[in-house]
Amino acid sequence: RKEVEQDPGPFNVPEGATVAFNCTYSNSASQSFFWYRQDCRKEPKLLMSVYSSGNEDGRFTAQLNRASQYISLLIRDSKLSDSATYLCVVNEFGNEKLTFGTGTRLTIIP
Amino acid sequence: NAGVTQTPKFQVLKTGQSMTLQCAQDMNHNSMYWYRQDPGMGLRLIYYSASEGTTDKGEVPNGYNVSRLNKREFSLRLESAAPSQTSVYFCASTPPAGGPYEQYFGPGTRLTVT
Repeated sequence: RKEVEQDPGPFNVPEGATVAFNCTYSNSASQSFFWYRQDCRKEPKLLMSVYSSGNEDGRFTAQLNRASQYISLLIRDSKLSDSATYLCVVNEFGNEKLTFGTGTRLTIIP
Repeated sequence: NAGVTQTPKFQVLKTGQSMTLQCAQDMNHNSMYWYRQDPGMGLRLIYYSASEGTTDKGEVPNGYNVSRLNKREFSLRLESAAPSQTSVYFCASTPPAGGPYEQYFGPGTRLTVT
């Protein structure tokens, strides 16, 4: 079983729609959680950290469910510029190494 | 600040050739990392360095060596390239300890081994 699992997609979503991705992690010692965004042939960049109470950044909302060991990302009012691959990332307590999921590919359709 | 820089951007090698991928960061970060990214595999850690003078193996270290030359620079060397090392290589760095360990990535090196 992979440490971090994501649905690879692709998700093809019309502009303006709401889309949600889930990600599950297997290591219960995981302490920090992130969503990274990776554009085609570019490097990953941090989109947002995921906090226990859930957090929102504009059109993006991240949630953490420790009991079920999953995190989610919700994108509202999707824009063409949201087209990218979204990587779920977890970090074990006291360990600087990050574990990356394989990513979920999102395409926003005009 | 330039952030994390990597050279070269592209490279084609023949099997058995050697090369060094260079990485530098100007953010005064302590920890640096080398990853490879292959289709369907996600990012896999090759080596990392928690501080100048220290290096540790990651998930896929075989066939690679690293050098943390100073706080700024962390190089990755392929001594005898193999077609299985065809990949995109990313270098990353992390701010000083204290979490939550956000990583900043360089633009990547696209390596093809024929």
